Amino acid sequence: AQSVSQHNHHVILSEAASLELGCNYSYGGTVNLFWYVQYPGQHLQLLLKYFSGDPLVKGIKGFEAEFIKSKFSFNLRKPSVQWSDTAEYFCALKTPGGSQGNLIFGKGTKLSVKP
Amino acid sequence: GAVVSQHPSRVICKSGTSVKIECRSLDFQATTMFWYRQFPKQSLMLMATSNEGSKATYEQGVEKDKFLINHASLTLSTLTVTSAHPEDSSFYICSAGNRGGYTFGSGTRLTVV
Repeated sequence: AQSVSQHNHHVILSEAASLELGCNYSYGGTVNLFWYVQYPGQHLQLLLKYFSGDPLVKGIKGFEAEFIKSKFSFNLRKPSVQWSDTAEYFCALKTPGGSQGNLIFGKGTKLSVKP
Repeated sequence: GAVVSQHPSRVICKSGTSVKIECRSLDFQATTMFWYRQFPKQSLMLMATSNEGSKATYEQGVEKDKFLINHASLTLSTLTVTSAHPEDSSFYICSAGNRGGYTFGSGTRLTVV
């Protein structure tokens, strides 16, 4: 069965620090990968997604993620975090095979950025 | 952009009562809606997939008689937790499929006392 692992439950950084959140998945075939962010009290919002092509994906708000197929990874990065990046981040996977298949989520990583 | 409105955001109910959660797609038609549940420090777990005008498809281990899903129109899906018990306390989130992507509601925090 497909699964998504996020290594860190809670990450605490100071402003301007660099960020990398780990995400690994288990599935042997083609996958679609997503990173979502949930700010306090708000709904999940899409940061970026990978379907095919360039494995380095750039998303909104300066975030990027790199799909490394050999490592089954899709880590999220940002070179310099801001206090406003404080939120929970979810990695998710969808296997092709239907236009509206469901997403499989990791447990999420809470990011706290200290001003 | 596409918006899914989910209500209520928080609800506290007594054990044995039923609670209805609504999700509306505000500016698009959602033929498919997904209902997730999230326990503290856990993943969002898919409970069921609802398709407009047909019966919902429930994931293994989810009681369909307890979690009633209705998707009577292209813009509204509801989840009713019947005879709620404290172990049903959780965070419930809906998601609508939209042009290959997904739009999420803001979630409902259910507390059963």
